[in-house]
Parts: sequence; C-alpha cells; structure tokens
Amino acid sequence: GEDVEQSLFLSVREGDSSVINCTYTDSSSTYLYWYKQEPGAGLQLLTYIFSNMDMKQDQRLTVLLNKKDKHLSLRIADTQTGDSAIYFCAESHTSSGTYKYIFGTGTRLKVLA
Amino acid sequence: DAGITQSPRHKVTETGTPVTLRCHQTENHRYMYWYRQDPGHGLRLIHYSYGVKDTDKGEVSDGYSVSRSKTEDFLLTLESATSSQTSVYFCAISDGTDTPGNTIYFGEGSWLTVV
Repeated sequence: GEDVEQSLFLSVREGDSSVINCTYTDSSSTYLYWYKQEPGAGLQLLTYIFSNMDMKQDQRLTVLLNKKDKHLSLRIADTQTGDSAIYFCAESHTSSGTYKYIFGTGTRLKVLA
Repeated sequence: DAGITQSPRHKVTETGTPVTLRCHQTENHRYMYWYRQDPGHGLRLIHYSYGVKDTDKGEVSDGYSVSRSKTEDFLLTLESATSSQTSVYFCAISDGTDTPGNTIYFGEGSWLTVV
C-alpha cells in the first residue's frame, strides 16, 4: 500500500537552515503537503506542491520535489525557535473516486538558541 | 482557520464504556475524516465520509464506528473503549474538488484517555 516515511528528529541552531526530508511510494500522488503541528494543537498547512512541479518557494520555505525518486523536502531558511514543532509530510491521491491522504510519522524539529 | 470544532477536547473514560467524539464543520465540505495520532505512528486514518450516510473504513477501523447524518457533523464512536484506544483524535475535512491543493484541514484534536 501507499507509504510516507520521514526521519523522526532534527536539531538545528537558530539562524541555520533546516531541511526535513520525506519519501513516498505512491506514484499517482496528486499533491504533496507539509503540515506543522505545535504542542497541544492540530495540524496547520504550511505549503503544498502539485506533483508536476519541481520546486515551490514561499517566504522562508522552499519545497523541492524529485518525482523520479519520490522524494520531497522542506527547507526552512533562518530557522527560529518558533519553528520548533512536528512537521508532517503528506500526499493525496484519488482511489475509487475518493480523495485519500497519507501522512508520514512526523519529524520533530528542535531549534537550539 | 477552517471552521472545525471537536468535542469533547479532553476526556478520561473507563475501559468498557462507550465514547462518542463529535466533529462539527461550518465549511460545507463533502469529505470528513477521523484520524488518530500516536507516537511513532504519525496519523492513521480510522474512518472517513464522502457524504451524508456515506462512510468507509480506514486503516485502523477495528473497534470504531462512525455516523454522518448531516453534512456538518461526523461522529466517531468507540463502542467499548480499551486502553489501546488512548490517543489523540483528529477530525479533518476537505472539499474533494480539484481546487488548487485540494487541502485537508484539521480540527484541534480530542485527547482521550482510557483507564
């Protein structure tokens, strides 16, 4: 079945760039997403990329998609302590006419002051 | 923020008791989902709905049932709660169209502890 994998932890120093990686198995993915979850809260959409795009930039966030290798990454420039959170990668596709979303296990980003 | 309200937000219940979690949306979105979040497993789909009275199972549906009698409400019921169902439960919605992103939006979560 479909699967999305991420590393569990990442630690960076404040001001450095963070790169969170994700791999997925579904070749029919339509969109790929990055969500942020702060403690005690739900998931908030950070950004998404259409599967036929290679890159998307949104302020401090850069998403890179390598469709051949089924690899997605999220780069956060000038990482701040407020960026400390769990980041989820997800993909969407249609199956039997229904939209489905598969989420990774989440990467816990810790930003050191 | 998407108009999604989950209730209760926190609940402690005893093993063997029934529990119902409610998700209410004000966005008139067609699709509604229930996920559970557990350490090391990320988010796993329990059940989803693609319209009133139209529901289907997700990957971890055993021990759970759902109902959707109105577009805006999606109920998740644990018929007889077990300790393995201690988790954080998230409701989510999407409009199921080809609008850019076809994004899924999440509620704030319901923390359930089964003792």
